[in-house]
Formats: sequence, structure tokens, C-alpha cells
Amino acid sequence: QVQVVESGGGVVRPGRSLRLSCVVSGFTFRSYDMHWVRQAPGKGLEWVASIWFDGSNENYVDSVKGRFSISRDNSNNTLYLQMSSLRVDDTAVYYCARDTPHYYDPSGYYPTSWGQGTLVTVSS
Amino acid sequence: VMTQSPLSLPVALGQPASISCKSSQSLVYSDENTHLNWFQQRPGQSPRRLIYKVSKRDSGVPDRFSGSGSGTDFTLKISRVEAEDVGIYYCMQGTHWPLAWTFGQGTKVEIK
Repeated sequence: QVQVVESGGGVVRPGRSLRLSCVVSGFTFRSYDMHWVRQAPGKGLEWVASIWFDGSNENYVDSVKGRFSISRDNSNNTLYLQMSSLRVDDTAVYYCARDTPHYYDPSGYYPTSWGQGTLVTVSS
Repeated sequence: VMTQSPLSLPVALGQPASISCKSSQSLVYSDENTHLNWFQQRPGQSPRRLIYKVSKRDSGVPDRFSGSGSGTDFTLKISRVEAEDVGIYYCMQGTHWPLAWTFGQGTKVEIK
């Protein structure tokens, strides 16, 4: 079955960097667009970044542009989020989530899959 | 921008519940689908999609959950709230160009 497992979270000082990883299994990773979504403590869901199936196109929420970078290794079924110049307001649980296949059938059914999340705490 | 209301919804067990989601722009996409989704997040759990393309239930979702709407106005209804329905519900718009998700603020459903 589909598995999505994030790792790499932890406590980090403001201004420092951290790299999150998301290892998936149970589906053809290289065919799917992928996302990172975060949730600050007690707050709602916020989309952070997305990447096309082949890594050729990326998109970011304005608050992380220039600081975060999403990438993927299709040979190892792994999605990454490189976070730099971290700020206190980046503190959140970060979820990795599967979208549809990039070349999807508009009449098809594509369940989403989310991981359990990894907590990033930015604090001095 | 996705705007949900109410943000808090106390409901008695067995009673219906309704959540509204309004988009600042039409959600009809180039593939002629409306990519409006509803997610449930139970306490301490990851989000789980309940509804996709406005009204289609995901596999395993009880039929007491239903979605409706068109254009910019959408609704999630729970016909008879059960204890396991406690949590926060989010509407979400998905676009493919650019690839992005936009969530509503969330509606907290609790038992009255």
C-alpha cells in the first residue's frame, strides 16, 4: 500500500538551515506531482511548495520564496525541502503530500496520500 | 482566496452540520473539472480527503458526508453528526498551472 514518511525535522536556531526528506512507496513516484504543506501550532493548513513529476517546474508560497527549495530524486522515491534562513514563524509540522499523476485522466480517481508530518521548531 | 464559514460549529450528536466555502474566483479548470476538495483533520492526525471534484466521495468515506456547489460557492454537509466527526474541516482548491493548493481557514466541528 501507499506509504509517505517524512523525516528531518528538529529544533533549529533562526537563520539556520534544515533539509526535510519524504520517502514514498507503493506507487510510481516519478509520475506524480508532489507538495509540501505545513501547519503551525494550533493553526490551519498552509501550502508551502510543489514540484512537477519530473522536477522541471516548482512553485512556492510567497513567504518562503528565495529561502526554501523543493526537489526530488525519482530514482530513490524521495522528495526534499531545503529550508534556509529559517524564521520563528516557520515553526510548524511539515507534511509531504501526493497530488495526481502529472498526466492524469480528467475522469479518473486519484486518492491523495499524506505523511504523518515532521515537526520543525525554529527558536533561539 | 478560500473563505470558510462558520469557523466554529458546535453540533449535537445526530444533528446535521453544514460548512460553506467561497472562492474569490471560479474554480472551473481547463480540464472542465472543478477541483474543489474537502479535508477532515481529526485531533492529532494528518489531514484526510473526504470529497474531491466538489461532490465525489473518496473511498471509505461514509455517505453521511456530501459536497455540493458550483462556480465560487461550495458546501460540505454532514447529515447526522457522529462522535468520530469531531475535528477541523478544510476546503481546498487545487490548480495544475501553476501547481498549487489553497486551503480555507478551517472549520472546527465539535459536539454540543
